[in-house]
Amino acid sequence: KQEVTQIPAALSVPEGENLVLNCSFTDSAIYNLQWFRQDPGKGLTSLLLIQSSQREQTSGRLNASLDKSSGRSTLYIAASQPGDSATYLCAVKAQGGSEKLVFGKGTKLTVNP
Amino acid sequence: DTGVSQNPRHKITKRGQNVTFRCDPISEHNRLYWYRQTLGQGPEFLTYFQNEAQLEKSRLLSDRFSAERPKGSFSTLEIQRTEQGDSAMYLCASSVNRQGARGGYTFGSGTRLTVV
Repeated sequence: KQEVTQIPAALSVPEGENLVLNCSFTDSAIYNLQWFRQDPGKGLTSLLLIQSSQREQTSGRLNASLDKSSGRSTLYIAASQPGDSATYLCAVKAQGGSEKLVFGKGTKLTVNP
Repeated sequence: DTGVSQNPRHKITKRGQNVTFRCDPISEHNRLYWYRQTLGQGPEFLTYFQNEAQLEKSRLLSDRFSAERPKGSFSTLEIQRTEQGDSAMYLCASSVNRQGARGGYTFGSGTRLTVV
């Protein structure tokens, strides 16, 4: 059974700092991995999607890496801003045809002005 | 098309009542998903449709839960005889399955259910 763990559970940083969020998964037979952002009481916004054959994806100040063999992904946020404050969720989709995403519990990020 | 739309945004119901939620996906998306999220947890998969066919159901989807997607457009999720443990955010997402598509999901804002 796939399990996804995100560390840390919460993170507070001053504005301008670069930071890394971590995601690990137990079964390396994944089809893809996605990072989402969730604001309080809201739905999820897709940030980056990495296919299993890829090593990283970049969008603006965000960079996500994937090391499938070790079951790890990181989300790097450069020059953090107060508007980046949210919960960041990692989700994996398995190989084999299931459409189910398995999510971690998320990392709650607070960027202080 | 402004994204995935879910209605209502909030629903408070008494234990034992039936509730129904609606999801309107992005029009060109042929895949639709329902997830449930409780406080402090990541979303948990409930079910998935490709067009009008329900192709995958989680064991979390008990006999009291039913989902439909008539004509492959909007979807409804019904919970019968609600229990306090059903209190959660119910999230709908859609995606497109075609050659060249990235496979990413678009989520709606969710329906928050409170069972009292």
